[in-house]
Amino acid sequence: AQSVTQPDIHITVSEGASLELRCNYSYGATPYLFWYVQSPGQGLQLLLKYFSGDTLVQGIKGFEAEFKRSQSSFNLRKPSVHWSDAAEYFCAVVGMEYGNKLVFGAGTILRVKS
Amino acid sequence: DAGVTQSPTHLIKTRGQQVTLRCSPKSGHDTVSWYQQALGQGPQFIFQYYEEEERQRGNFPDRFSGHQFPNYSSELNVNALLLGDSALYLCASSRKGLSKNTEAFFGQGTRLTVV
Repeated sequence: AQSVTQPDIHITVSEGASLELRCNYSYGATPYLFWYVQSPGQGLQLLLKYFSGDTLVQGIKGFEAEFKRSQSSFNLRKPSVHWSDAAEYFCAVVGMEYGNKLVFGAGTILRVKS
Repeated sequence: DAGVTQSPTHLIKTRGQQVTLRCSPKSGHDTVSWYQQALGQGPQFIFQYYEEEERQRGNFPDRFSGHQFPNYSSELNVNALLLGDSALYLCASSRKGLSKNTEAFFGQGTRLTVV
């Protein structure tokens, strides 16, 4: 079965500092991987996705993520955080033999201090 | 493009009642999936509809049912509501199959409170 672990429930960074949110997945083959962002009371917005190919993927809002098969990880990064990045971030995996359903991690709440 | 639209945005129901939530997919999308997001948790897959049939189902009881219409819009029905059904219900639309050129788009959700 597929599963996703986001080890950090909360992370606080200073505005302008770099950010890395961790995501580990459990899946037998190469998965499709996603990062979504959710502002309070809102739906989910896709930041970036990995299907195959280049293991470093660029997304919107200056985010990037790197797929590391050996570590079963797909960590999200941003070189300089803005106050508007404060939100909850979800990593998700799709394993095609399990159909198109997304399996989400529990999320990481990002707080940005000025 | 209106994106994925859900209605209503908020709803309060009493235990034992029934509720219907609605979702209109993004233009060009034919597949609708429903997720339940309890407070402080990640979304959990309920089921997915394609060609007006339930194609996949998550670990949810039969009290949760759905429907897809010929125009691809969808409804989620929950019977005999429990306090534990209080959550944000998210609808996601996509084209059949996920590939490099497809992704799931989410609506803003319906906040259901059961009292």
